[in-house]
Amino acid sequence: ILNVEQSPQSLHVQEGDSTNFTCSFPSSNFYALHWYRWETAKSPEALFVMTLNGDEKKKGRISATLNTKEGYSYLYIKGSQPEDSATYLCAFEGPGNQFYFGTGTSLTVIP
Amino acid sequence: DVKVTQSSRYLVKRTGEKVFLECVQDMDHENMFWYRQDPGLGLRLIYFSYDVKMKEKGDIPEGYSVSREKKERFSLILESASTNQTSMYLCASFGGLAAPGFFGEGSRLTVL
Repeated sequence: ILNVEQSPQSLHVQEGDSTNFTCSFPSSNFYALHWYRWETAKSPEALFVMTLNGDEKKKGRISATLNTKEGYSYLYIKGSQPEDSATYLCAFEGPGNQFYFGTGTSLTVIP
Repeated sequence: DVKVTQSSRYLVKRTGEKVFLECVQDMDHENMFWYRQDPGLGLRLIYFSYDVKMKEKGDIPEGYSVSREKKERFSLILESASTNQTSMYLCASFGGLAAPGFFGEGSRLTVL
């Protein structure tokens, strides 16, 4: 079993605040790093898939960076809105289509 | 709109019953996965399949089996349900290396 860690476990921010969370993963046998958003009563939805060291991806107010040499990825949300409230999951993709998920960061945005 | 569909959103079963959880995807993906999600433990892999009639054990296969008779359908079977199998079960399919995954809405199983 491979260790993927996410921090913090939960986060409460005020509407309009910017926030970020971390995903740590092994730096060996790396294929890709996935980020998903999981809203209550819905399916997890893919945000980003990153493969190259130094990759940066952006979708609206959400962006992510990747450092494969040191084994971490950051997810940033600029100007948080109540609809950003969700659990954010990262997953390490290794050889042979193996996926290892972190335990997630639960974000609550307070209006 | 691509879809992964799980047959039941909520189930209540008794200890010892046989339970089938069905998952169907319409994306012609070869790779399908079954996870369970418990508070504080994240998504844990039960079984996965790379192709029809192929299956591989994940991290927590004990007490479960799977069936993949057709490419689009991946079933999770609890031969004799136990209370510690009360959980949220998620099915996912992936299109290949570094491709995003698509998840079903989950099946919340309660075993009494």
